[in-house]
Amino acid sequence: DVVMTQSPLSLPVTLGQPASISCRSSQSLVYSDGNIYLNWFQQRPGQSPRRLIYMLSKRDSGVPDRFSGSGSGTDFTLEISRVEVEDIGVYYCMQGTHWPYTFGPGTNLEIK
Amino acid sequence: VQLVESGGGIVQRGGSLRLSCVASGFIFDDHWMHWVRQVPGKGPVWVSRINSDGSSIFYADSVKGRFTTSRDNAKNTVYLQMDNLTDEDSAIYYCASITFFGWGQGTLVTVSS
Repeated sequence: DVVMTQSPLSLPVTLGQPASISCRSSQSLVYSDGNIYLNWFQQRPGQSPRRLIYMLSKRDSGVPDRFSGSGSGTDFTLEISRVEVEDIGVYYCMQGTHWPYTFGPGTNLEIK
Repeated sequence: VQLVESGGGIVQRGGSLRLSCVASGFIFDDHWMHWVRQVPGKGPVWVSRINSDGSSIFYADSVKGRFTTSRDNAKNTVYLQMDNLTDEDSAIYYCASITFFGWGQGTLVTVSS
């Protein structure tokens, strides 16, 4: 199985400041069609996961443009340009290139 | 997009449960459906996926041979039959679709001894 790792696991941030979460995969996530099936999810306390980014860098409808995804091969990054209080929660990366799909352990974004 | 799971509860070790997920707000039979589970405080774990017509089904190794996924496109519903449950199966179970864009609210499964 493809192992997904994330760093940091805990990220204290100041409101209005940027934040960056790293995700790494144990194998390349480039699919045979050339696409990278890497998703980012936000999970607020008591809620279901919400997809923010799909296919590496495509932002879902309704997701603020302060969220962006980037990366290549095995190294990926979710960036928040200016953290707002509603961004508090746990962020997961998930690969959808190889079976079985696998999630990272999560990064807990909290206010400093 | 709305997904509503049901069927969770408390079950004895070795017992069975059948989860259902009713979909609305999108063309159900155009999309794969997934089951994902999550132990509170831990990361999600993908469990199973079924393609749009039910002809192709994949399972995580941890549930293969014990769980069965099916769908009824006439009822916009996907099912997860869970047999021979163990303590490690205790979790919140979510259905998800449209490449994980849509998620249900989850249903809690607790396996007790």
